[in-house]
Amino acid sequence: GNSVTQMEGPVTLSEEAFLTINCTYTATGYPSLFWYVQYPGEGLQLLLKATKADDKGSNKGFEATYRKETTSFHLEKGSVQVSDSAVYFCAPLSAYGQNFVFGPGTRLSVLP
Amino acid sequence: DAGVTQSPTHLIKTRGQQVTLRCSPKSGHDTVSWYQQALGQGPQFIFQYYEEEERQRGNFPDRFSGHQFPNYSSELNVNALLLGDSALYLCASIYYGWANYGYTFGSGTRLTVV
Repeated sequence: GNSVTQMEGPVTLSEEAFLTINCTYTATGYPSLFWYVQYPGEGLQLLLKATKADDKGSNKGFEATYRKETTSFHLEKGSVQVSDSAVYFCAPLSAYGQNFVFGPGTRLSVLP
Repeated sequence: DAGVTQSPTHLIKTRGQQVTLRCSPKSGHDTVSWYQQALGQGPQFIFQYYEEEERQRGNFPDRFSGHQFPNYSSELNVNALLLGDSALYLCASIYYGWANYGYTFGSGTRLTVV
């Protein structure tokens, strides 16, 4: 089955710093890859996705590229804001779209 | 997310009791998945329902059961509650189109077992 390894948090950055959260996965077949964000006390919000190799997903200044050769989907943002403080989850979706396998999440804290 | 309704938002139960959580998917979505998210962890897949039947199941005991109704809404039932069942329970509303699919999470039900 699928599995995910995310960099351990918490990650603490100053506002306007560059963000990278590493994610690698193992999967059978060719999964779609997702990043979800969870703000305190809330459910999951889709941040971005990529459905095939070399696709780049982007949203709200965040981006990630589907790297099949390295089985990675690292999340980046050029300039983080305090409002980006949340937990970020990398998740492959099985080839038939039936269920996600979530990583443990990476908590990001951005200080003003 | 707008369109996926879960109820209740919070509840507290006593160990050994039974609980039922509910989910109404987005309009046009005919498949529902349930996930359990323990504090500080990522969500874990419980099961998925389609056409009123359980289509796939994760590694959860039989105490966890579900149901899907003809209007596609779904219930998650947990019997003989344990302290370890305390978690946020997320419902995902899904449609599978010919060339794509949609997957939307609800805001969840936070269950506390005391």
